[in-house]
This record gives sequence, C-alpha cells and structure tokens, in this order.
Amino acid sequence: AQSVTQLGSHVSVSEGALVLLRCNYSSSVPPYLFWYVQYPNQGLQLLLKYTSAATLVKGINGFEAEFKKSETSFHLTKPSAHMSDAAEYFCAVSEEGGFKTIFGAGTRLFVKA
Amino acid sequence: SAVISQKPSRDICQRGTSLTIQCQVDSQVTMMFWYRQQPGQSLTLIATANQGSEATYESGFVIDKFPISRPNLTFSTLTVSNLSPEDSSIYLCSVVGQVNQETQYFGPGTRLLVL
Repeated sequence: AQSVTQLGSHVSVSEGALVLLRCNYSSSVPPYLFWYVQYPNQGLQLLLKYTSAATLVKGINGFEAEFKKSETSFHLTKPSAHMSDAAEYFCAVSEEGGFKTIFGAGTRLFVKA
Repeated sequence: SAVISQKPSRDICQRGTSLTIQCQVDSQVTMMFWYRQQPGQSLTLIATANQGSEATYESGFVIDKFPISRPNLTFSTLTVSNLSPEDSSIYLCSVVGQVNQETQYFGPGTRLLVL
C-alpha cells in the first residue's frame, strides 16, 4: 500500500534562506510523486512531479525536488525563500499516474521578513 | 493543463439541508474525482465520478450521503446531503486529462460551513 509522510506540520524560515520540506513515501511499485502548493483560500496547484525520468525535478517558482529511492524520499527545496512562498505544501504519491493519489498531511511554510 | 471551475465557491448552510457543488472543466477529461479537506487537514478522496455510471466511493463514504453525477466528460456534481457541522470542509474537484494522465489538476474548491 502506498503512503506519504511529511515531516513537520510547520516550517518557518527567514526571507532569503533555504527552504527544505521533507517527504518520505511508501510504495510497492515505482511511484509517481508530486508536490502541490495551496495558497490561502485557493485550490491546489501542481509545483512539480516525478515520473521515473530524471531524479532531480525542477518545478515552478524556483522549487525543485530530488527523488532518492534508497531513502524513499522526495524532499522539496528552494535556495532562497520569498514572502510569496508562504503557503501549505502537500506531498503526494500515486502508483497509477494521476489516479488514486494519496496526499501527505501537509506542511505549512511561514516566511519571516 | 485543464481549467477547472467550481460553483459555489463558498456557502453557509443549515443542518439537515443539502448542498450541490458543480465542477466544470474546459476540456474533456478521463477521470474526475471529489476530495474533502477538513479544517487544518489534508485531502481525503471521497469518490471517483464515472461518466454515465455510478460513482466509485472510497471507504467511509456512501452514495446516500454524497450522491455524485457525471453526465458527460466535462461536468460533475457532488451533493452533500443531510448536512451536519461535521461536514464543514473544503470540497475539491480534480481531474486527470485525456492526454496527460500522469497528473491530477484541482479546482479552486468549495468552502462549506454548516451551522
């Protein structure tokens, strides 16, 4: 069975600092992995996805994530945080592409001036 | 990616009533899903909306409480019946495209408050 664990329900960084949001997954088959962002009072927007091509995936807004099979991880990073990055971030896994996607509990990112 | 709209964007309802949420996509899609996001929590899949047939419900969700229709490849409705305060949530429609079936795209959500 597939599952997702996001470490840290809240992460706070200073503007300009590195952003690191952690995600570990469990899957019985090579997974599809996703990061979504949810801004206040909005729906979910796809940041990036891993679909068994390059292990380092670049997404929108300067975010990237690295798939590490040995660690079953798919951590999200951004070199320099911006105030506009403050949002809720969800890691998700699917064994069937876009179907039956399982979401993590979410990590709320706070960016301090 | 598909453009997804939902109506209403938010509503306040009395307990015991029902609310029907509409999801409209600007292109034909393979799959449509309905999710619930309870306050401060992650997304939980309610059901897969099947075109022309009964929806497929996840464990813990039943058709009597969450009837779903999908008359064509671009439209679906979710009704939340016999509302109670515990139904206060964000309800999100999502789709998988016919061409790119690797990714789900989400609508803006419907925020429901039950008094």
